[in-house]
Amino acid sequence: DAKTTQPNSMESNEEEPVHLPCNHSTISGTDYIHWYRQLPSQGPEYVIHGLTSNVNNRMASLAIAEDRKSSTLILHRATLRDAAVYYCILRGNAGNMLTFGGGTRLMVKP
Amino acid sequence: EAGVVQSPRYKIIEKKQPVAFWCNPISGHNTLYWYRQNLGQGPELLIRYENEEAVDDSQLPKDRFSAERLKGVDSTLKIQPAELGDSAVYLCASSLTGQNTGELFFGEGSRLTVL
Repeated sequence: DAKTTQPNSMESNEEEPVHLPCNHSTISGTDYIHWYRQLPSQGPEYVIHGLTSNVNNRMASLAIAEDRKSSTLILHRATLRDAAVYYCILRGNAGNMLTFGGGTRLMVKP
Repeated sequence: EAGVVQSPRYKIIEKKQPVAFWCNPISGHNTLYWYRQNLGQGPELLIRYENEEAVDDSQLPKDRFSAERLKGVDSTLKIQPAELGDSAVYLCASSLTGQNTGELFFGEGSRLTVL
């Protein structure tokens, strides 16, 4: 799977929007962009995924650049419960698995 | 519906002792994964099963690690003998077979401390 680059950490204030960036300049045409997050002392959980178009669900929105070399996970209104490590992962056709990088640790201040 | 169940949640052993972790995936999920997560890092895949067949075990240290998924349902990961560097969280995940759009569901993990 192609590599992603994320900032090590970010801070946000509670009830404000958060934009978590991810660079994936070597993405291939069939790679899906997945986001997972990991709350303290828990296993990772799925957040959202997309291919080319922007995606919305109850947890977040995913904005994908037109050239697909970057994407942004948007939490519309951060809560204290959103403090977690967020992983941006490219998932191709070769193998039904996820390859995790280091992720971004999001801290939410009250 | 129950999620992925793992046991034990915590295990402390001395080096050279054996240890085993158990995972029960979500009912109907044919694909099962074992990941290892070292402190401060993302999870790393150890082995992936499609039903009872191990289809990717390239990252499993085969000299001391073994895994099985008899009958294609629950799975056991064993370490024998354990070393200090094996201290980590062992995560099990499951998914429906096949596509790269599918969601993986993770258990809470088993935290191993080797003294």
